[in-house]
Amino acid sequence: GENVEQHPSTLSVQEGDSAVIKCTYSDSASNYFPWYKQELGKGPQLIIDIRSNVGEKKDQRIAVTLNKTAKHFSLHITETQPEDSAVYFCAAGNQAGTALIFGKGTTLSVSS
Amino acid sequence: DAGVTQSPTHLIKTRGQHVTLRCSPISGHKSVSWYQQVLGQGPQFIFQYYEKEERGRGNFPDRFSARQFPNYSSELNVNALLLGDSALYLCASSSGTPDLYGYTFGSGTRLTVV
Repeated sequence: GENVEQHPSTLSVQEGDSAVIKCTYSDSASNYFPWYKQELGKGPQLIIDIRSNVGEKKDQRIAVTLNKTAKHFSLHITETQPEDSAVYFCAAGNQAGTALIFGKGTTLSVSS
Repeated sequence: DAGVTQSPTHLIKTRGQHVTLRCSPISGHKSVSWYQQVLGQGPQFIFQYYEKEERGRGNFPDRFSARQFPNYSSELNVNALLLGDSALYLCASSSGTPDLYGYTFGSGTRLTVV
């Protein structure tokens, strides 16, 4: 079945710096790759997603890139702010389209 | 607009007991999925229901069961609770399959088994 690896597990940056989180997946049939932000005591919140027919997608300070050949995708956050501090999860849709397989998460800390 | 609502928010049960968790999806969403999130890990898929039928099941024992009602709300049942069942249980709703429409998650039910 699908397996998603996420790195790094923790990331500390200064306010205003960029942050990059990388994920790899195993199932070449996967075609949907969302990123979620989870704050303490809350459920995961979708921040951006990309589908396999697109190589890059941007939404203000957040961008995601996808390399289907290498089976990896990345989240880029520019001009980080303290409120970006949270746990970020990448995920990939399973072959049946019935579930998302999540990475283990990256704890991002942005210090001012 | 109300988001995905889950009840209860917290629950403490004893080993061997049974638990029922409830979820109301976003209005108009016909798909409900359940995930288990152990502390420090990503959510793990348990079930997906669409139009009241089970469409997917993750690698969980038969002690876990679920159903979806005509109003698209859902229940997750866990029998014979084990200490290892302690986790945050998340419900997610979607207007279709997650690979096409994505998910909106609720805030979860924190289950502690003692």
